[in-house]
Amino acid sequence: EDQVTQSPEALRLQEGESSSLNCSYTVSGLRGLFWYRQDPGKGPEFLFTLYSAGEEKEKERLKATLTKKESFLHITAPKPEDSATYLCAVQARYGGSQGNLIFGKGTKLSVKP
Amino acid sequence: NAGVMQNPRHLVRRRGQEARLRCSPMKGHSHVYWYRQLPEEGLKFMVYLQKENIIDESGMPKERFSAEFPKEGPSILRIQQVVRGDSAAYFCASSPAPDEQYFGPGTRLTVT
Repeated sequence: EDQVTQSPEALRLQEGESSSLNCSYTVSGLRGLFWYRQDPGKGPEFLFTLYSAGEEKEKERLKATLTKKESFLHITAPKPEDSATYLCAVQARYGGSQGNLIFGKGTKLSVKP
Repeated sequence: NAGVMQNPRHLVRRRGQEARLRCSPMKGHSHVYWYRQLPEEGLKFMVYLQKENIIDESGMPKERFSAEFPKEGPSILRIQQVVRGDSAAYFCASSPAPDEQYFGPGTRLTVT
């Protein structure tokens, strides 16, 4: 069964304290791995897509990496405005319509000033 | 380019009533997806549609739920005879191809 597990469930950081969020996945052929940010009461906001092991993408203080079993979202020198829930999702290459995303439960990040 | 639009943002229904949720995809996007998010749960896929076609409804409950994406107008998620367990946030997403999806702000359904 295709599934996504994110850890930790919650993470508290001080402003400037770098850390990483983990996304482990099992999928019948990976078509793509996606990272989203979700603020309370809002829809997920697209951050990155990764397609193959070894791929990396960066945006401001965020950097996403991908291996054959997991992805990491590295946050460098975070600021309070980075506080949000970060969601990881995979899209399977085989089975079904290959259109739907399978989401993890997310990591809730709090950055204190 | 306006983002994905959903309305209403909040919807209150009594048990047994019908709920209609609307989604207008981003301009140029012909693929629409509906997801449900229960409190403390992750987003769960419900249905994937293209214009006038249901591509994948494997995540949709077999009864009371239906979805459409007509040639003209928004995509509609319809829930008949709502029950308390239907209370959740319903998100619509769109994409130009079955790739990265852009989400709307969601409709929060409360069943009393």
